[in-house]
Amino acid sequence: NAGVTQTPKFRILKIGQSMTLQCTQDMNHNYMYWYRQDPGMGLKLIYYSVGAGITDKGEVPNGYNVSRSTTEDFPLRLELAAPSQTSVYFCASSYGGSNTEAFFGQGTRLTVV
Amino acid sequence: AQSVTQLGSHVSVSEGALVLLRCNYSSSVPPYLFWYVQYPNQGLQLLLKYTTGATLVKGINGFEAEFKKSETSFHLTKPSAHMSDAAEYFCAVSELLANFGNEKLTFGTGTRLTIIP
Repeated sequence: NAGVTQTPKFRILKIGQSMTLQCTQDMNHNYMYWYRQDPGMGLKLIYYSVGAGITDKGEVPNGYNVSRSTTEDFPLRLELAAPSQTSVYFCASSYGGSNTEAFFGQGTRLTVV
Repeated sequence: AQSVTQLGSHVSVSEGALVLLRCNYSSSVPPYLFWYVQYPNQGLQLLLKYTTGATLVKGINGFEAEFKKSETSFHLTKPSAHMSDAAEYFCAVSELLANFGNEKLTFGTGTRLTIIP
């Protein structure tokens, strides 16, 4: 009964370092999303995917990259980390369609110093 | 683009009192509307959603919301607050993604609900 699993839960990066946030889901959902959550700003969409091999940019994609080689996994890559990327990152998945529920992971709290 | 406005970033109510969290949306087409709840250090989980049909929607934990098209509102209510309701609540509207026809959620900025014993 895992749902959406994100790793790591916490991470501190130095400016200029890179890292990959992992996300995997076991619900066979086609649609997967990466959001960032900043205080008082709600959630902003970074990237999304509608199936293996298909990804596209959301509202705030700069500084990030994604890939989707399998239905289950949707990693988010940060290249050259900057303080502006300090945030809480959430991965989500859904069956698809406008009225379907999105299931969220527990988040990754990232600090760039 | 669609947008969501949540009035009041912080709301405090006494235990047993009415909870009212406000949400207004902008949309040029009939929207799908959602309320999500986030407990501390957790991800978001769905409280309730409006798609079509009955405008009064009931969700989990005694919450409900009413879709009012004329007011472009989708306010969340609960008749009697419980200590366990303390959390952050997000209103969201479904929005068409340009490239693939799928729809994504556009979130409001959230309302933190505090329950006073």
